Amino acid sequence: DTVLTQSPALAVSPGERVSISCRASEGVNSYMHWYQQKPGQQPKLLIYKASNLASGVPARFSGSGSGTDFTLTIDPVEADDTATYFCQQSWNDPPTFGAGTKLELK
Amino acid sequence: EVQLVESGGGLVQPGRSLKLSCAASGFTFSNYYMAWVRQAPKKGLEWVATISTSGSRTYYPDSVKGRFTISRDNAKSSLYLQMNSLKSEDTATYYCASRGIPGYLPYWGQGVMVTVSS
Repeated sequence: DTVLTQSPALAVSPGERVSISCRASEGVNSYMHWYQQKPGQQPKLLIYKASNLASGVPARFSGSGSGTDFTLTIDPVEADDTATYFCQQSWNDPPTFGAGTKLELK
Repeated sequence: EVQLVESGGGLVQPGRSLKLSCAASGFTFSNYYMAWVRQAPKKGLEWVATISTSGSRTYYPDSVKGRFTISRDNAKSSLYLQMNSLKSEDTATYYCASRGIPGYLPYWGQGVMVTVSS
C-alpha cells in the first residue's frame, strides 16, 4: 500500500502562513487530495488533484506538488482553521490517507 | 443541498454481522461512484469499500475483503455496507461518501459509530 507521511502537529499564529506536507512512499502522479476535519465532524474536501480548490473553500487554501511530495498551504491562517488535515491518494490501490496533521493556533 | 445520512450502527459482538445504510439526497445518486470510509477512535481514516454507479464493480482493501459487502439501490438513492464476521478492530465511525472520478471524496455523511465488543 502507498504510505502517506505527514508531520503530526504544527502550531502557528493567526495571520501567518503555514505549509503542511505529505510525502508518498511511491509516486501518485497528481492524484493527491486534502481534507480538513474538525473535532466531532466529518472530513471536508479542501483540495483535489493536488492543486484544485474544492467548491466553497476559501482561496486562503492552496495545494501544490506532484509525484511524491505535496503541500497544503494556508495563507493567512485564521482561528477557525484549527483542525486536523489529512492527505489522501487515489493513484494506487488501495486509496490511502495520511495519519493527519493537527494544526493548532498559538 | 447534498445530504448523506448513515444509519444502522451500534454495539455488536465479535463474529456477528451488521448492515449500515446511507440515504442520499440533493444530487443524482445514480451518476456517482460511492464509498465507505472508517475512522477508529482517535485514529486516521481508512478506505473500506467502493462501488461503481451501476453496482457492477466493487473494490475492497485486504483488511475487509471477504467480510464486507458494499451495495446500492439507485431507485432508493441508498448505499449499504454489509459487515460480517466483525472483529474488535472494526470498531470505528463509518462514513458514507460520494466519490469523484479522480478518486477524491467531495461529500461525506456525518458518520455512524460501530462498536465491536463482547
